[in-house]
Amino acid sequence: GENVEQHPSTLSVQEGDSAVIKCTYSDSASNYFPWYKQELGKGPQLIIDIRSNVGEKKDQRIAVTLNKTAKHFSLHITETQPEDSAVYFCAAREWSSSASKIIFGSGTRLSIRP
Amino acid sequence: KAGVTQTPRYLIKTRGQQVTLSCSPISGHRSVSWYQQTPGQGLQFLFEYFSETQRNKGNFPGRFSGRQFSNSRSEMNVSTLELGDSALYLCASSSTGQGKHEQYFGPGTRLTVT
Repeated sequence: GENVEQHPSTLSVQEGDSAVIKCTYSDSASNYFPWYKQELGKGPQLIIDIRSNVGEKKDQRIAVTLNKTAKHFSLHITETQPEDSAVYFCAAREWSSSASKIIFGSGTRLSIRP
Repeated sequence: KAGVTQTPRYLIKTRGQQVTLSCSPISGHRSVSWYQQTPGQGLQFLFEYFSETQRNKGNFPGRFSGRQFSNSRSEMNVSTLELGDSALYLCASSSTGQGKHEQYFGPGTRLTVT
């Protein structure tokens, strides 16, 4: 079945450094790739998304890159701050199909060291 | 505007009982989706509703059902509860238009089955 693999499961970086989280997907029909941030005790928050007709998208300190040929996409956070500490999830789905299901990665716990 | 609200926030049930969870989406959002989050299985898609119609369903048994009302509020029901149904149940409301997709999650309902 469809699968999304996410690495690493935990990541600790020094404040001010960059963090990179990587995901691979198996369903070649997937064309929508959102990223979510979940803080303790809260629901996930959609922080950025990318569609397969675009290779890269940026929003201030966060960016997502997509390599459709290799079926992998990555989240990049630059100039990390303490408030970036959270669990991050990637996901993939076929946007155009009403019958498609969104598949989530297993999550990355990001810790920012002061 | 008000965020996504879920009630109740916490619930304890015993095996064999049934439970109904409620979700009120952001005003103007017509799409509501439900997810189950557990430490073992991670985030999994349950179902998605749009304008009172179920548009999509995840790989869950028929004990899991849902519905959406004309005011876009949604409920999900789990019958004949099992210990493995203990989880955080999240709902999200979303809206797509002008090339942008916005999605907001509620805080979740923590269900414990004993």
